[in-house]
Amino acid sequence: DAGITQSPRYKITETGRQVTLMCHQTWSHSYMFWYRQDLGHGLRLIYYSAAADITDKGEVPDGYVVSRSKTENFPLTLESATRSQTSVYFCASSESPGVVWREAEQYFGPGTRLTVT
Amino acid sequence: AQSVTQLDSHVSVSEGTPVLLRCNYSSSYSPSLFWYVQHPNKGLQLLLKYTSAATLVKGINGFEAEFKKSETSFHLTKPSAHMSDAAEYFCVVSDHASGGSYIPTFGRGTSLIVHP
Repeated sequence: DAGITQSPRYKITETGRQVTLMCHQTWSHSYMFWYRQDLGHGLRLIYYSAAADITDKGEVPDGYVVSRSKTENFPLTLESATRSQTSVYFCASSESPGVVWREAEQYFGPGTRLTVT
Repeated sequence: AQSVTQLDSHVSVSEGTPVLLRCNYSSSYSPSLFWYVQHPNKGLQLLLKYTSAATLVKGINGFEAEFKKSETSFHLTKPSAHMSDAAEYFCVVSDHASGGSYIPTFGRGTSLIVHP
């Protein structure tokens, strides 16, 4: 199916465990993003990627690791989960260069609700 | 540096009455501005965007927004609210970041409540 998908949709894990959230898009968009959404904070950028093998930190990167070996995939790993990382995580993608980048619409996945106990 | 402030965390209206969701931004360059909508337990969807063309921007579902540079505002309006408009709304500014990337910054969101 075309679009942007996230898996799993729901995850419960224990403090200290490693967990990986998956994101896959079928449009070959260059840019991909990971956000977390918490009540009262809106969406905060964790990491973004401008292309395969190019990633950069966002506003709240501590405790997270990303990789992007293929254009279509952008996994987010919590190396040692903490309760403060309980949140809803959204992946998004944007169109390729050639479009004026700052005008590019973001396309969002359905989100992953992560609970760390 | 860029920032965006959504002036109301909650807005409550009656069905059929006008909607006004307020957004102010700060930007060092000439920004692009967006409004996204998030219905409960869903991802975000673009409502409309401003990209330095017309200052009055029309979006989906009857929403529109006006870019006012002198007031650094980009308020979202709709003449007549519908029950299906009940959702969370995010104002977003996209500006130049270090390294040449344009990184979007989200406001904290405004929850629109529509009463029958």
